[in-house]
Amino acid sequence: SAVISQKPSRDICQRGTSLTIQCQVDSQVTMMFWYRQQPGQSLTLIATANQGSEATYESGFVIDKFPISRPNLTFSTLTVSNMSPEDSSIYLCSVTTGTYEQYFGPGTRLTVT
Amino acid sequence: RKEVEQDPGPFNVPEGATVAFNCTYSNSASQSFFWYRQDCRKEPKLLMSVYSSGNEDGRFTAQLNRASQYISLLIRDSKLSDSATYLCAVSRMDSSYKLIFGSGTRLLVRP
Repeated sequence: SAVISQKPSRDICQRGTSLTIQCQVDSQVTMMFWYRQQPGQSLTLIATANQGSEATYESGFVIDKFPISRPNLTFSTLTVSNMSPEDSSIYLCSVTTGTYEQYFGPGTRLTVT
Repeated sequence: RKEVEQDPGPFNVPEGATVAFNCTYSNSASQSFFWYRQDCRKEPKLLMSVYSSGNEDGRFTAQLNRASQYISLLIRDSKLSDSATYLCAVSRMDSSYKLIFGSGTRLLVRP
């Protein structure tokens, strides 16, 4: 499976600011996804990062709040904009290589104060 | 009704026990099914894909029951290191490669 890294691994941010999370894969992948996992809860899909085009967002998530880029087949970023304490969560990227099996990055633990 | 449902547990079992988890799904057209393991403060890791014929990997057996729309995971001879949260995942049917995750079942294996 692909080796996935995320930066930063954790951060503490003030409300009203923005944080950009990077996801880097060691090989080209078909699909890249961004999830959020709040404490004690399961994974919620935010969006699919499409290479060379706008991301596809799930219901309840919008581009202004969570802009996503995917400039190539190995890299994507998620920005959490104008943060509030409710955005405190773990943010995970995942990838597939042409099947439904998804592999996850180590996650970014975000705390908004 | 949630698209994918799991008993949250926790399942508290002694070492050496056999434990089984079920996961029900609502979309009868779903085609791909998975079990993931998530340790505390870590990312989910793919444990097993679930095939129509069932599959086994050492102490772990996964089965699919399409008629009743559930998948199961059986762990035999539980180890302390099996303590984790087990998430089931079911594919959507829109060719998007998206997965829907259950809320997870927590397993605690005690000495």
